[in-house]
Amino acid sequence: KNQVEQSPQSLIILEGKNCTLQCNYTVSPFSNLRWYKQDTGRGPVSLTIMTFSENTKSNGRYTATLDADTKQSSLHITASQLSDSASYICVVSPYYGNNRLAFGKGNQVVVIP
Amino acid sequence: NAGVTQTPKFQVLKTGQSMTLQCAQDMNHNSMYWYRQDPGMGLRLIYYSASEGTTDKGEVPNGYNVSRLNKREFSLRLESAAPSQTSVYFCASSTGPVTEAFFGQGTRLTVV
Repeated sequence: KNQVEQSPQSLIILEGKNCTLQCNYTVSPFSNLRWYKQDTGRGPVSLTIMTFSENTKSNGRYTATLDADTKQSSLHITASQLSDSASYICVVSPYYGNNRLAFGKGNQVVVIP
Repeated sequence: NAGVTQTPKFQVLKTGQSMTLQCAQDMNHNSMYWYRQDPGMGLRLIYYSASEGTTDKGEVPNGYNVSRLNKREFSLRLESAAPSQTSVYFCASSTGPVTEAFFGQGTRLTVV
C-alpha cells in the first residue's frame, strides 16, 4: 500500500525562526509530490508541486526539496510568521492519477510570538 | 473567482437521517472528488468523477452515493447517516487526472 509518513507530527517555533518539515513516501510509480497548507477550519491550499525531475521549488518563504532516489521531501519555512501556524500536508501522486493520491497526516506547526 | 464552493459548512444529523452535501466549481475543471478528513488520519477519497457523466468509488465509499449533476456540480449523499460518518468532508477539483487539485472549505458533519 502506498504510504506517506511525515515528521515531526507537531512542533512549536518562535516567530522569525526557520523550520523544516519532513516527508518520506513509498509511492511507486511516482508522478509528482505536493505540499499543501491547511489552516484550522479551512480546506488545504497548494504551496508547491514538484515532478520527478525537480529537486527544489519555492513559493515565497516556503521552499520544498525532493530527492526521488531516497523518496524523501522536505518543506522549509524561512523567517516564520504567526500566519504560518497551520497543518502542512505532503501529498504524493502516483503515475496513474489523482484518484490514487496518497496523503500524509500532516505536520502541525504552531508559531508563537 | 470563487473556486470550489461547498454547502453547508456545518451540519448536525441524527442517526438514520439523510442529507446531500453540495459542491460546485467555477474553474471549468473536468475532475471532481469527495474526501473525508478524520483526526489523526490523512484525507481519504470517498468518490471521484474523472469527467462529466462518470463516477467511481474511492477508498471509503460505503454509506455514500454521488451524482455528477453537470460539469460544475458534484454532490455527495448520505442515505442513512451513522455516527461513523462524523467527519469533515472536502470537495476538490482538478483540470485533469494528474494535475493540481483545488479544495473547498469543507463541511463539518456531526451524526448523533
